[in-house]
Amino acid sequence: NAGVTQTPKFQVLKTGQSMTLQCAQDMNHEYMSWYRQDPGMGLRLIHYSVGAGITDQGEVPNGYNVSRSTTEDFPLRLLSAAPSQTSVYFCASSYQREPYEQYFGPGTRLTVT
Amino acid sequence: DAKTTQPTSMDCAEGRAANLPCNHSTISGNEYVYWYRQIHSQGPQYIIHGLKNNETNEMASLIITEDRKSSTLILPHATLRDTAVYYCIVRAPDSNYQLIWGAGTKLIIKP
Repeated sequence: NAGVTQTPKFQVLKTGQSMTLQCAQDMNHEYMSWYRQDPGMGLRLIHYSVGAGITDQGEVPNGYNVSRSTTEDFPLRLLSAAPSQTSVYFCASSYQREPYEQYFGPGTRLTVT
Repeated sequence: DAKTTQPTSMDCAEGRAANLPCNHSTISGNEYVYWYRQIHSQGPQYIIHGLKNNETNEMASLIITEDRKSSTLILPHATLRDTAVYYCIVRAPDSNYQLIWGAGTKLIIKP
């Protein structure tokens, strides 16, 4: 199993550009989530999904969209990038419908100039 | 709001037990306490979680006080590879899905 994979590893955007961060898992997990981590801080939940076709907002959803058309994939879209979205983004999944034991991807480092 | 308090940093000698404390005095009666760690800038790694009773797995032990206001994560024989930031986490109020991550404890294992 590859586990949780994320692409790209690094990305630089200009203010106002849009892009999609990809996340995929091959463990048939129901629960998937997106977090952002700013320097020296813990993770903050952006969006999550408890199954295909079901998504909901987390703590910091503004400026981001998600969809979950398959169990495996959970992409995160930045609609119009802002410097405040410079961060490291982590995708995670869990075999339960609640985030008890989450498996995390390696992260995407995003810089918005 | 349910949240946790942890020391900013701790040192431990290699081979000794590392005891990481966490205060969660506002936790509700049916809320779990979760522990994760993050090595360098990698994705966090799940360690253990518990509700009332002490828990043990292949990575660590979790001791929760009877009043559930605090807990201690124990790494029984710390190695240099255990150097990481350790997060003690609880769920946000009225949410089954949102975890509240603080800044964690930076644990440095010294040879």
